[in-house]
Amino acid sequence: DADVTQTPRNRITKTGKRIMLECSQTKGHDRMYWYRQDPGLGLQLIYYSFDVKDINKGEISDGYSVSRQAQAKFSLSLESAIPNQTALYFCATSDLLSTGSTAGELFFGEGSRLTVL
Amino acid sequence: GQSLEQPSEVTAVEGAIVQINCTYQTSGFYGLSWYQQHDGGAPTFLSYNALDGLEETGRFSSFLSRSDSYGYLLLQELQMKDSASYFCAVRSRDSSYKLIFGSGTRLLVRP
Repeated sequence: DADVTQTPRNRITKTGKRIMLECSQTKGHDRMYWYRQDPGLGLQLIYYSFDVKDINKGEISDGYSVSRQAQAKFSLSLESAIPNQTALYFCATSDLLSTGSTAGELFFGEGSRLTVL
Repeated sequence: GQSLEQPSEVTAVEGAIVQINCTYQTSGFYGLSWYQQHDGGAPTFLSYNALDGLEETGRFSSFLSRSDSYGYLLLQELQMKDSASYFCAVRSRDSSYKLIFGSGTRLLVRP
């Protein structure tokens, strides 16, 4: 089983619908992140959470919300999806205690491909 | 804020050596990471530099010069499976220590 699991892996929806992408992890990490990837634009940070009571906006949080239900679960919601939110979404985790050569290491899920028509 | 620049595409021949550069601007620098991503796949961690110098991991090496706000990823003995996108990412020394990614360099290895 994957250490970082995202559901659904693929989703097609219509403009105006509410969508939730879920992420769960078995790595025991405190830190969790949601990134969006568009072709040619790399990875952009949407939201991040350093523990259950800590939620922070990233570079592109408008139109998104998140919920950290438990240490292992971090969900991303699109309250009213629009076509320019069509993208590949990645959840990632990192270890608060990472030091040295692994201090910059994130562990990514396999991605959720969202298409908004 | 932070910004990173890297070339959009690089092409090289199997067995050769290729260098992918990354320059960054950040309000507080903590370290530079490199990730590999194959088409349709998840990014995977390659290396991290917090101090100046070269870090070597097998065929891959990563270099950092903090005074020049510059780093590079060096791939030796290129193999076809190295065709992928490579991202540099800055870990910022602010309250968040979050990673901000560059837009990626697509490497095409030709036979």
